[in-house]
Amino acid sequence: SQQGEEDPQALSIQEGENATMNCSYKTSINNLQWYRQNSGRGLVHLILIRSNEREKHSGRLRVTLDTSKKSSSLLITASRAADTASYFCATVDSGNTPLVFGKGTRLSVIA
Amino acid sequence: DAGVIQSPRHEVTEMGQEVTLRCKPISGHDYLFWYRQTMMRGLELLIYFNNNVPIDDSGMPEDRFSAKMPNASFSTLKIQPSEPRDSAVYFCASSSTLGGMSYGYTFGSGTRLTVV
Repeated sequence: SQQGEEDPQALSIQEGENATMNCSYKTSINNLQWYRQNSGRGLVHLILIRSNEREKHSGRLRVTLDTSKKSSSLLITASRAADTASYFCATVDSGNTPLVFGKGTRLSVIA
Repeated sequence: DAGVIQSPRHEVTEMGQEVTLRCKPISGHDYLFWYRQTMMRGLELLIYFNNNVPIDDSGMPEDRFSAKMPNASFSTLKIQPSEPRDSAVYFCASSSTLGGMSYGYTFGSGTRLTVV
């Protein structure tokens, strides 16, 4: 069953613009993670944010977490064509369970 | 480390045939996960192992599915008999912790299964 739900399902932007993807979830979490999946490939871990953290940065990535709203956002700044991929949020419940993934956002960055 | 290695990359089989998917996790990772990805249902956890022991197989859809981990460096997912609705991409992932607290899960490239 899905825990996280990403929004939008698909996003198309021009190179250089910022891309924002949102994730909502249902239960109390231990941590939330974002993954990227290029077409025909496996998922790659991007960033992890713990339930007691509100914001985290990694290079051009910025993740926020609002546990009161049970939501997270992933911001990719100055996007590049190589950022074209599907992005998934995944959560670990507060009971420390395996990752449960959302259905993802398909990002297209047009050069 | 070469990462999580899955084989085969693609498998096309006829309905009713037995299918075996293979996975080699990253050395030193105590947890191994099998996920299935479809357009309709997204990524679903099928089963996971801790130190080669199956912990939770509640995601295995039917008795036709079985998984084993005979040692720390090898796992198999078997479907017998296969059906067209089993067509999906099957991913193996490994991690040093259940929640992926250190570096998340490391995924293999997947096996794309087509049952005709």
